[in-house]
Amino acid sequence: SQQGEEDPQALSIQEGENATMNCSYKTSINNLQWYRQNSGRGLVHLILIRSNEREKHSGRLRVTLDTSKKSSSLLITASRAADTASYFCATDAPLNTDKLIFGTGTRLQVFP
Amino acid sequence: DAGITQSPRHKVTETGTPVTLRCHQTENHRYMYWYRQDPGHGLRLIHYSYGVKDTDKGEVSDGYSVSRSKTEDFLLTLESATSSQTSVYFCAIRDGLAGNLQETQYFGPGTRLLVL
Repeated sequence: SQQGEEDPQALSIQEGENATMNCSYKTSINNLQWYRQNSGRGLVHLILIRSNEREKHSGRLRVTLDTSKKSSSLLITASRAADTASYFCATDAPLNTDKLIFGTGTRLQVFP
Repeated sequence: DAGITQSPRHKVTETGTPVTLRCHQTENHRYMYWYRQDPGHGLRLIHYSYGVKDTDKGEVSDGYSVSRSKTEDFLLTLESATSSQTSVYFCAIRDGLAGNLQETQYFGPGTRLLVL
């Protein structure tokens, strides 16, 4: 079963607006990652946050992690049309950190 | 794309035929993974390898086998393809050495498989 569930499933915004995606997971984790997938392409790693971190930034990306609620959020600020993609959270699997378990993704559409 | 290629990129086959997908890396990474991606399910792990000849099952391994005879190649075989195995298959690699990027996976471009 999926470890991570993203919310919302789909999000449409205008360029310049901020986009927030949420991820919930079920079991304790060592780290949580966010990946982006452009249509017809493979996934690309965006950012990793460890279980002892609460917030992390990378350019226009801001990730938060709340281990007490087993949830994470990805904020993309000042979105651009090029941010249009699907975004997935991934957590390390229980008892086996060699494996990742991916959520079902949020499809983001940014209109120019 | 981090030195990962997948072949073929597209394949149409018939139910009951064997199919082998190849993942090739030039990064000398230890770990290699096969995922399938289906609408509504995200990515699901089929099998992965943690070294030459060392493999383990993922969450959807039934009907699939893998082999890794050398570091750079990881083969996924559908012994007898079924329509339920129609999907997009992604290979990924991971270094796994100490450092900030040890958990990061790098993905290939994918293989679209249609089983009729």
